[in-house]
Amino acid sequence: EDKVVQSPLSLVVHEGDTVTLNCSYEVTNFRSLLWYKQEKKAPTFLFMLTSSGIEKKSGRLSSILDKKELFSILNITATQTGDSAVYLCAVRATGTASKLTFGTGTRLQVTL
Amino acid sequence: DAGVTQSPTHLIKTRGQQVTLRCSPKSGHDTVSWYQQALGQGPQFIFQYYEEEERQRGNFPDRFSGHQFPNYSSELNVNALLLGDSALYLCASSGSGRTDTQYFGPGTRLTVL
Repeated sequence: EDKVVQSPLSLVVHEGDTVTLNCSYEVTNFRSLLWYKQEKKAPTFLFMLTSSGIEKKSGRLSSILDKKELFSILNITATQTGDSAVYLCAVRATGTASKLTFGTGTRLQVTL
Repeated sequence: DAGVTQSPTHLIKTRGQQVTLRCSPKSGHDTVSWYQQALGQGPQFIFQYYEEEERQRGNFPDRFSGHQFPNYSSELNVNALLLGDSALYLCASSGSGRTDTQYFGPGTRLTVL
């Protein structure tokens, strides 16, 4: 059965800090890994990674995948209070369907 | 361009009742997936619909059933509600391409008393 483990479960940082969120996974026939940000209800898409070693970047957020070691990290630099959310990592296997298997998420709180 | 929409926003039911949740996919998307998210947990896959058929199913009992209509919208039905069915129910839509990303709706918060 596919499995995703995220760490830490939660963390509190001060505005301006840099944070690194971790995601390790076990999946048969890996296709892609996705990061989502969930503030209240709808998870919003951040990144999809399919290839090892290629960094995806969007503003202060970046992510990289290591397919050999089966993990991904999400970095947030110069954190702002608006970054406070739950960050979810999910994996998708190959096949006709596109079921996502999620981790429990990392709850990030950014304080002033 | 409207994103994924879901209705209702909130719902309160009692044990044993039945509930129907609705989802309209993002424009241009033909695949709908349903997830259950309990408090403090990540979303759990219930099932996926494509071309009006259930394409894949997660580890959920038969009390959970669904339907997809010709306009790609979808319904999730839950019969004989249990207290443990209380959760946020998320709908996600995607295209049928191999690399298409799933985009989520705002969810329906179901409370079973």
